[in-house]
Amino acid sequence: EAGVTQFPSHSVIEKGQTVTLRCDPISGHDNLYWYRRVMGKEIKFLLHFVKESKQDESGMPNNRFLAERTGGTYSTLKVQPAELEDSGVYFCASSLISSRGRYEQYFGPGTRLTVT
Amino acid sequence: AQSVTQPDIHITVSEGASLELRCNYSYGATPYLFWYVQSPGQGLQLLLKYFSGDTLVQGIKGFEAEFKRSQSSFNLRKPSVHWSDAAEYFCAVGRDFGNEKLTFGTGTRLTIIP
Repeated sequence: EAGVTQFPSHSVIEKGQTVTLRCDPISGHDNLYWYRRVMGKEIKFLLHFVKESKQDESGMPNNRFLAERTGGTYSTLKVQPAELEDSGVYFCASSLISSRGRYEQYFGPGTRLTVT
Repeated sequence: AQSVTQPDIHITVSEGASLELRCNYSYGATPYLFWYVQSPGQGLQLLLKYFSGDTLVQGIKGFEAEFKRSQSSFNLRKPSVHWSDAAEYFCAVGRDFGNEKLTFGTGTRLTIIP
């Protein structure tokens, strides 16, 4: 079974440019999460999809970030325009739906974003 | 709001020595607790989890963790570390309702010396 995949693995862009990160969850996982780790800090939640619907986007930093999950499969996270403080590692995770949350979240390898 | 504290940013141990990584959490109800490990170039891998029941949980790679409600702790242990255990370790807490976000600590980087 393929794991969670993310593309690209690294991205270096200039301030003001646009970047789109992609996440392919494990097949059949309706929950999809985005997290971010800024250097030296904790991994922070950004948002949560259930299928194609945004369940919780309380962690999105501002309106420069736009996440989509068309068709309930893969997801994209667009940053436009990018700022220096957006640099970090963006993780995607997926899990099965559970009534008691007993399914673990499987994480991808992350996308390292550097804004210069 | 829930929070997780990992007081040790970096720990160095000798190969074969025992290991304990500390994790304290703040949460108002019964937490779901997790330890993840990230090896260089890899994603986060789940080591073990606690949902309920026996407070000593066994995980992969010979790791175990003990949930102590009175101390709000969920420390990770291994009796004898191997060079391949060098990685970054993250403690996380989730809500009891499921299908929701995890709150992570800042991580502990483990270095193994021969």
